[in-house]
Amino acid sequence: KQEVTQIPAALSVPEGENLVLNCSFTDSAIYNLQWFRQDPGKGLTSLLLIQSSQREQTSGRLNASLDKSSGRSTLYIAASQPGDSATYLCAVRNTDKLIFGTGTRLQVFP
Amino acid sequence: GAGVSQTPSNKVTEKGKYVELRCDPISGHTALYWYRQSLGQGPEFLIYFQGTGAADDSGLPNDRFFAVRPEGSVSTLKIQRTERGDSAVYLCASTREGGGTGELFFGEGSRLTVL
Repeated sequence: KQEVTQIPAALSVPEGENLVLNCSFTDSAIYNLQWFRQDPGKGLTSLLLIQSSQREQTSGRLNASLDKSSGRSTLYIAASQPGDSATYLCAVRNTDKLIFGTGTRLQVFP
Repeated sequence: GAGVSQTPSNKVTEKGKYVELRCDPISGHTALYWYRQSLGQGPEFLIYFQGTGAADDSGLPNDRFFAVRPEGSVSTLKIQRTERGDSAVYLCASTREGGGTGELFFGEGSRLTVL
C-alpha cells in the first residue's frame, strides 16, 4: 500500500529565504507526482506535475525534483515571499488515483 | 467551464439527514474523482469515474455513500443518514483522461458540517 510522508509538517521562515520541502513515498512504481498548494479554506491548486520518466520540473520560483528509485521528491522555493504562505501537498499516482501526504504548512513572515 | 465547480460551498445539516454534493468538471475531462479532507489531513480518495461508470469506488467508507455520473459530466456525491464523523471538506477533481499520466485539477470543495 502506497504511503506518502511530508517533512517538515510546518515551517516558518523570513521573507527572502530559499527553502526545500520534502516528500517521500514507499512504492516507487508511480506514474507521476504532483505538488499542490492549498490556502486556508480553499481547494487545491496544482503547482507542478512530474512524470515518472522526468527528473525535475520548473515553474517560476518553484522547482520540483523526482528520484523515483529512492522514493523521494523535493519542492524548492526560491526567494520566498509572504504570499507563498500556504499548505503544500505532495501526491503520487500509482494507478488510477492520487495518494496524498499530510502536507507542509509554510509561513513566510516579512 | 474554466475550472472544476462544486456546489454547495458550505452545507450544514443535522445528524441522520440526506445530503447531495455536486461537481461540474472541466469541459472535456472524462475522468472525475471525489476526495474527502479532514482538518489537518491530506485528501483521501473516495471514488473515481471514467465516463459514466465508477472505475474504482474502493475509497467509499460504507454503503451510506454513493456517487453517480449519469451523463459522463456532472457528478453527485450522495450521503445517507449523515453522521457527525462525515463532517469534512469534499473535493472533486477532473482530468482529461484516466489511466495514469494526466494532471488533476481540483475544485474549491464543499464543506459539510453535520451537527
